[in-house]
Amino acid sequence: QVTLRESGPALVKPTETLTLTCTFSGFSLSTSGMCVSWIRQPPGKALDWLARIDWDDDKYYNTSLKTRLTISKDTSKNQVVLTMTNMDPVDTATYYCARTALTGLYYYFDYWGQGTLVTVSS
Amino acid sequence: DNQMTQSPSSLSASVGDRVTITCRTSQSIGTYLNWYQQKPGKPPKLLIYAASNLQSGVPSRFSGSGSGTDFTLTISSLQPEDFATYYCQQSYRALYTFGQGTKLEIK
Repeated sequence: QVTLRESGPALVKPTETLTLTCTFSGFSLSTSGMCVSWIRQPPGKALDWLARIDWDDDKYYNTSLKTRLTISKDTSKNQVVLTMTNMDPVDTATYYCARTALTGLYYYFDYWGQGTLVTVSS
Repeated sequence: DNQMTQSPSSLSASVGDRVTITCRTSQSIGTYLNWYQQKPGKPPKLLIYAASNLQSGVPSRFSGSGSGTDFTLTISSLQPEDFATYYCQQSYRALYTFGQGTKLEIK
């Protein structure tokens, strides 16, 4: 059974750095083809993909946010960590981690965590 | 960036209706298109991947079609549990973008 769970602060101040951890089970990020992504959703708005890390440690970022994001993994702990610098109130959102599966050449988000709401306010 | 445009943005329908949601991309993406369903307070759920492949466990009343820049999600006979918001998402190269969503409401 695949599960993912996000953890991190519920409240951060403007200009601070956000660190979120995704802890997963039911699959291994050392398995070829396995990836984990971070996606966020501001209240009442659409989904916004942030970053992806692959089994071979390749990393991909939203081009608009690339300078602020860092994604990393700890395979032994089954964890993926996302950091986002210089937080702003517009970054207030529910942050999800999702397993990113690969079938042939096609990637898709097949399992999602429940999400964690991060509010940016002074 | 590849812009994703869903239509309509909202839709009212009745149980038993056939419903079609459209997603148009500004650049051709082959069949690199996925569909998700999201209910309030819940994470999205994968319905369709690679434009027309039904995810395991998803009812067969859901279907997807299209290629290039125009895609559709069809629900053949709406059930009460289908009232939700639907998102398309392109997976062409690792520059994933989502549509703005289509909210499906009960008429």
